[in-house]
Amino acid sequence: DVKVTQSSRYLVKRTGEKVFLECVQDMDHENMFWYRQDPGLGLRLIYFSYDVKMKEKGDIPEGYSVSREKKERFSLILESASTNQTSMYLCASRRDDTDTQYFGPGTRLTVL
Amino acid sequence: GEDVEQSLFLSVREGDSSVINCTYTDSSSTYLYWYKQEPGAGLQLLTYIFSNMDMKQDQRLTVLLNKKDKHLSLRIADTQTGDSAIYFCAERGGSYIPTFGRGTSLIVHP
Repeated sequence: DVKVTQSSRYLVKRTGEKVFLECVQDMDHENMFWYRQDPGLGLRLIYFSYDVKMKEKGDIPEGYSVSREKKERFSLILESASTNQTSMYLCASRRDDTDTQYFGPGTRLTVL
Repeated sequence: GEDVEQSLFLSVREGDSSVINCTYTDSSSTYLYWYKQEPGAGLQLLTYIFSNMDMKQDQRLTVLLNKKDKHLSLRIADTQTGDSAIYFCAERGGSYIPTFGRGTSLIVHP
């Protein structure tokens, strides 16, 4: 069974703090994704990575950066958290030769 | 760009059938998906259909695809309270990344 884990289920941070959200998958998937989910807006892609050290911007990359130093780990970084980044963050992974994305349980981030 | 539309809410009585509808704009869509998100959890792939199929059935789930109208539906027979969740429609065509709809919240009343 594919497992995608996220470092925290709930996180509360203050405006201006640097925030790291970690995602780990255990099935050697090449592709990893970060989405944010907001009520009424569905899923919006922030960044994705198709290989180690490779990254591509999604639809809403502003205010975020990512890091993929190892194949199994994809980190989302908020350099200076703002209140409009309060959201649910979902990580996903996918193998190159399949079409199924496997999602983690999500991290609910609140920025005060 | 591609767009996927679905209604935000659906309310049904336990035991009835639920039909969740989705429309998309990308005529090159090859794969169409339904994901389920239970409260407090990530998305789980429920089922998918290739664009060269009209219908796919899997136990209580039936997916219908009208490629001409770019319309996808998910029917859940004998809906149970455990089916209460948010259901996301998604499509992928030539793009590397799927496009998700906004999600339909299914509320099942006893």
